[in-house]
Amino acid sequence: KNEVEQSPQNLTAQEGEFITINCSYSVGISALHWLQQHPGGGIVSLFMLSSGKKKHGRLIATINIQEKHSSLHITASHPRDSAVYICAVPRIQGAQKLVFGQGTRLTINP
Amino acid sequence: EPEVTQTPSHQVTQMGQEVILRCVPISNHLYFYWYRQILGQKVEFLVSFYNNEISEKSEIFDDQFSVERPDGSNFTLKIRSTKLEDSAMYFCASSSRDGGTDTQYFGPGTRLTVL
Repeated sequence: KNEVEQSPQNLTAQEGEFITINCSYSVGISALHWLQQHPGGGIVSLFMLSSGKKKHGRLIATINIQEKHSSLHITASHPRDSAVYICAVPRIQGAQKLVFGQGTRLTINP
Repeated sequence: EPEVTQTPSHQVTQMGQEVILRCVPISNHLYFYWYRQILGQKVEFLVSFYNNEISEKSEIFDDQFSVERPDGSNFTLKIRSTKLEDSAMYFCASSSRDGGTDTQYFGPGTRLTVL
């Protein structure tokens, strides 16, 4: 059974700072998901990755399969990046059921 | 861009009543999911649905819950006799392939309040 731990739980930074959010999981996976939950509650999928690195705009996600660890980076952070960022992995390899981390609440101050 | 839609956005019901939460997944997607998030807690998987049947379900998804795809476009979650602890945000999601290894697209959620 996969457990997912994120750090930090809360992160406050100034506009423009480089942000890193970490995710560790306990068993082998086929893919890892990074999600963004807006203050209103809606969830948006940011990345799904199974190896290496993916980039979308100012967001970069990396994964180290051997270390069972992934990071989400935000470059040149902006107040509109303020949200909860959630990491999720399949419960067991090959499963559809996702297990979610507790989320990292990010606040970017102007 | 296609999106997953959910109705209603907020549902208030009395304990013991039946509720049906509705979702319209992205039209060419084949895999459908329901999740819930109790206020202040993690998102939790409830059930996945493929080829007109449940493919996986969690321990939460007991006999009080059921899912249906009644007409090829809607995907519904029914709670037969609501309890106070069913109060949560319910999210529907869909994916074109197995969502464990494919991007899942989430709806905006239905906030269910059981009084």
